[in-house]
Amino acid sequence: EPEVTQTPSHQVTQMGQEVILRCVPISNHLYFYWYRQILGQKVEFLVSFYNNEISEKSEIFDDQFSVERPDGSNFTLKIRSTKLEDSAMYFCASSLGGWGYGYTFGSGTRLTVV
Amino acid sequence: AQKVTQAQTEISVVEKEDVTLDCVYETRDTTYYLFWYKQPPSGELVFLIRRNSFDEQNEISGRYSWNFQKSTRSFNFTITASQVVDSAVYFCALSTGRWSNYQLIWGAGTKLIIKP
Repeated sequence: EPEVTQTPSHQVTQMGQEVILRCVPISNHLYFYWYRQILGQKVEFLVSFYNNEISEKSEIFDDQFSVERPDGSNFTLKIRSTKLEDSAMYFCASSLGGWGYGYTFGSGTRLTVV
Repeated sequence: AQKVTQAQTEISVVEKEDVTLDCVYETRDTTYYLFWYKQPPSGELVFLIRRNSFDEQNEISGRYSWNFQKSTRSFNFTITASQVVDSAVYFCALSTGRWSNYQLIWGAGTKLIIKP
């Protein structure tokens, strides 16, 4: 069964550093998402991406965050200057056509900012 | 506004007991999807079920069953004869469609502890 692949599985970074979280969505999917889950809390929507542009973003997704689909296969989330409160599990998801087709989630990247 | 409420933050039962996890949602849309995901201690999100707003039939999959009541805006999840391996955090989520670009709106999760 096709999978969404996220790398790395765990990243530790120093406060103020830039990090790039990588995702390889399922190849024929059209919608891409990033979600965040701070330890012990609910999953929160960050951003959706469709047709090579951001289609929606949450209040969390401020200027420190950016997404790219640089080569038609990878989908990246960049955090320019990490803060302690960015420590969380970041999930990538993709969907063929939105809700009716379901969402496939990656296994997540645990980001620890020290 | 869209919202998902899982009022039970933690449930603890003894193995083989039945347990029901509650989910109540709010939306003004007439077309939407509801989901349940399981998050085991390893952290990944495991898809369990997707149900659209026009299908109110209850669903059973092995020991799992789901009760969708549109009138009460609830989508409850029951595990029959629970097992230790069912211990996890369970999330209910809502997707209201194209106006929100199909993003998922999540409940706070219910931590289920199954004691041997």
